[in-house]
Amino acid sequence: SAVISQKPSRDICQRGTSLTIQCQVDSQVTMMFWYRQQPGQSLTLIATANQGSEATYESGFVIDKFPISRPNLTFSTLTVSNMSPEDSSIYLCSVGFHGRDNQPQHFGDGTRLSIL
Amino acid sequence: GNSVTQMEGPVTLSEEAFLTINCTYTATGYPSLFWYVQYPGEGLQLLLKATKADDKGSNKGFEATYRKETTSFHLEKGSVQVSDSAVYFCALTPNQAGTALIFGKGTTLSVSS
Repeated sequence: SAVISQKPSRDICQRGTSLTIQCQVDSQVTMMFWYRQQPGQSLTLIATANQGSEATYESGFVIDKFPISRPNLTFSTLTVSNMSPEDSSIYLCSVGFHGRDNQPQHFGDGTRLSIL
Repeated sequence: GNSVTQMEGPVTLSEEAFLTINCTYTATGYPSLFWYVQYPGEGLQLLLKATKADDKGSNKGFEATYRKETTSFHLEKGSVQVSDSAVYFCALTPNQAGTALIFGKGTTLSVSS
């Protein structure tokens, strides 16, 4: 398994600003994912963070709005840009282990983001 | 495509009642199946998993059996406790290690004493 630390755990931000969320893992992992959980909803995959290359975004999510970095195998950031109240959500980092059959994904505790 | 369908909530039970949360899936190939739990104010925790047909995952008194013939992975517990109150998510990954999870909409369970 892996221990995942996400920072900040919560924040209240002003409309139009940007916030960067950090995800640190205590071991090297192949796959890192970013999910969004809107209030009372399920988790939706934003993108897969690829080490050494651009992230792969899901339909409905774009790099200009959610730029992602992954400089190494233990760290990734997600930026929520030009925020609006509709971006108020929990953002979760998750890690997976490609090549290790059937290893389940592990999640950080999430970042609870409110935009005023 | 791949998808997960969970029963609508909320589910409200008294302590020691029997719990069933239905989950069915659509997938190409042979997915791995999971139940995750989210306690109030916390992130997701893996509750149990099953990786092939007829596998039974179990943890903390919860069980779920991978039924390929009915494409189901229903969650059960014989006697719920107040501390089981949480949101439960059924999820799958296609048969490729490391691919992203696809989640159901979640079912809120509320247990009263």
